[in-house]
Amino acid sequence: DAGVIQSPRHEVTEMGQEVTLRCKPISGHDYLFWYRQTMMRGLELLIYFNNNVPIDDSGMPEDRFSAKMPNASFSTLKIQPSEPRDSAVYFCASRTGTVKNSPLHFGNGTRLTVT
Amino acid sequence: AQKVTQAQTEISVVEKEDVTLDCVYETRDTTYYLFWYKQPPSGELVFLIRRNSFDEQNEISGRYSWNFQKSTSSFNFTITASQVVDSAVYFCALLPSGSARQLTFGSGTQLTVLP
Repeated sequence: DAGVIQSPRHEVTEMGQEVTLRCKPISGHDYLFWYRQTMMRGLELLIYFNNNVPIDDSGMPEDRFSAKMPNASFSTLKIQPSEPRDSAVYFCASRTGTVKNSPLHFGNGTRLTVT
Repeated sequence: AQKVTQAQTEISVVEKEDVTLDCVYETRDTTYYLFWYKQPPSGELVFLIRRNSFDEQNEISGRYSWNFQKSTSSFNFTITASQVVDSAVYFCALLPSGSARQLTFGSGTQLTVLP
């Protein structure tokens, strides 16, 4: 089975540009999470969805960040406009709600560099 | 509030040595789950183990073993006869059962196994 698929693997952009990160969760998983990893702050939860509905976006740093999940097999995280401090590795993860407290399965991450 | 502390930022051992990674957690919930994840140099996050708060039995999987002690709020991870391929960042994480299903990660321990 394919795991969580993220694209692109690497993104380099200039400050002020719009950035869109993409994620395809594992088929059948009804929870989807977006995390950000930096040296300073470690792994931070940005937002998560259940059955395509955003449940908790309290981790989204500011209004420049937005996330959508138009269907069960696709989610996007958008940053507009991007800033150098947004440079980080962004992970998408999914899990099934069928098994209580099942583990998260992570994608390979997108390394974002904003210059 | 939940908190996971991994006090060891970096550990270096020589191949074939045993090594223990410490994890101490805080939670007010009586029911919770603990996880360990591995992040090798390639960057992905790999699930290793889940343990629920009702089960204090230690677990062994090959060269890996986990020691859960509720009395000291610790969930330590031991690698026996370490190998170079074990070099990675290891994260401990906590999921309180009564929460909005958010994993709290520790800051990670960078393990380097030298040949």
